[in-house]
Parts: sequence; structure tokens; C-alpha cells
Amino acid sequence: GAGVSQTPSNKVTEKGKYVELRCDPISGHTALYWYRQSLGQGPEFLIYFQGTGAADDSGLPNDRFFAVRPEGSVSTLKIQRTERGDSAVYLCASSYLHMNTEAFFGQGTRLTVV
Amino acid sequence: GQQLNQSPQSMFIQEGEDVSMNCTSSSIFNTWLWYKQDPGEGPVLLIALYKAGELTSNGRLTAQFGITRKDSFLNISASIPSDVGIYFCAGQNQGGSEKLVFGKGTKLTVNP
Repeated sequence: GAGVSQTPSNKVTEKGKYVELRCDPISGHTALYWYRQSLGQGPEFLIYFQGTGAADDSGLPNDRFFAVRPEGSVSTLKIQRTERGDSAVYLCASSYLHMNTEAFFGQGTRLTVV
Repeated sequence: GQQLNQSPQSMFIQEGEDVSMNCTSSSIFNTWLWYKQDPGEGPVLLIALYKAGELTSNGRLTAQFGITRKDSFLNISASIPSDVGIYFCAGQNQGGSEKLVFGKGTKLTVNP
């Protein structure tokens, strides 16, 4: 596709359930980033992949959050035992090399934990 | 952790007016970025600043990287209705980290 694609666009889940959020980056982009945006706030860094490996996962809030990118393209953000505080828009971005130059964001997945 | 203070929180202006918003930090950044976010969309990069004191323009937008490396401003001249949205500043440190620290945003409303 032409841009970063995130699915689903909306996800409602019950507290305690497991969820997976998918990101399809722009073709050829080796770097992929996950951010979380709570209502009325700016995006907050979660994790950054360069190829298949997580180069920086310092933003993951706790061990309930995990992300993978097994083939260096599509990435999945996984959240276990969801809590109401996990409700937010989860944004994915991709770039050839660096976030601060030509990274493009997807539309995000709005996660609501009830 | 690092935080960015972005102001104002919101602005209501008439079409044709100029707009100014700014961002300050308690710590130094080596790159400053300005993004615009429309409802239901991801942020879109407007301007990137890589050097202290740098002044960069992109059409009606002008942004400056503060000389202390702890602040930046964004000006929009002759605003139009499609300028409506939320504007975010973001800072990035050196040292190989790709992490961006975002401000809380400035919500701009333009009355035609």
C-alpha cells in the first residue's frame, strides 16, 4: 500500500483479555516505531525496530506489553491482561532510516478496554 | 523523564491572522520537529530542525530551533480554515536513540 496501515482501526475488549494490534509499514522501510497516544496528550514512545530486532524497547510500560517484527516488515503489538488504563490510540510509524527525517505515521488503532 | 511544555494549549483565531506557538524543555534536544494531526489521523511532519539557531520555512510555516537547544517555536502566517488541527512539537536526543518526546499539543481553530 501507499502508506502505513494499521489494523484494526478500532478495538473494544474486556478488561483482562489479550489483544494484538497490527502494523504494515511502507514497503522497503526498515525502521518501525510504536507510540501510544492518550486522550488530550501527545504520542508517547513505546518501542523501535530496526529490521527484525527491537533496537529500543525502553518505552514499554510493563511486561504485559510486547512487540514483534519477525520478518522485518509487519509488526504486532501484543498486550496481555488488558487494563482500563491501556485505553488509547496506538500509533505505528515507519521510515527508511531515521524517525526525525522521513517517518510516516499510520492512522492508529483506537483501543478501548471496558 | 523528559517533558516538553507546549503553549498555548488552544487557540481560536480568525482566518488570515498569524499564529505563534512554542515549546520549551528542561533538557537539551539535538533535533526539534513540528507535526500536525487531524482527527482520526496520525501526525504528519511539517518541519524538522537539526541545528541550534536554525530557522526553517515550509510555505506559510516557519519554525526556529532555539539557541539554547531547549526551545522551539512555530509560526503560521495568514491562516486558512484547513490549518485547523492539533500541532505537536517533538524533541529528539543524539546518541543513536530514535525516540521522540512529544509535547501535549496546541489545538488550533480558525474561524472563516
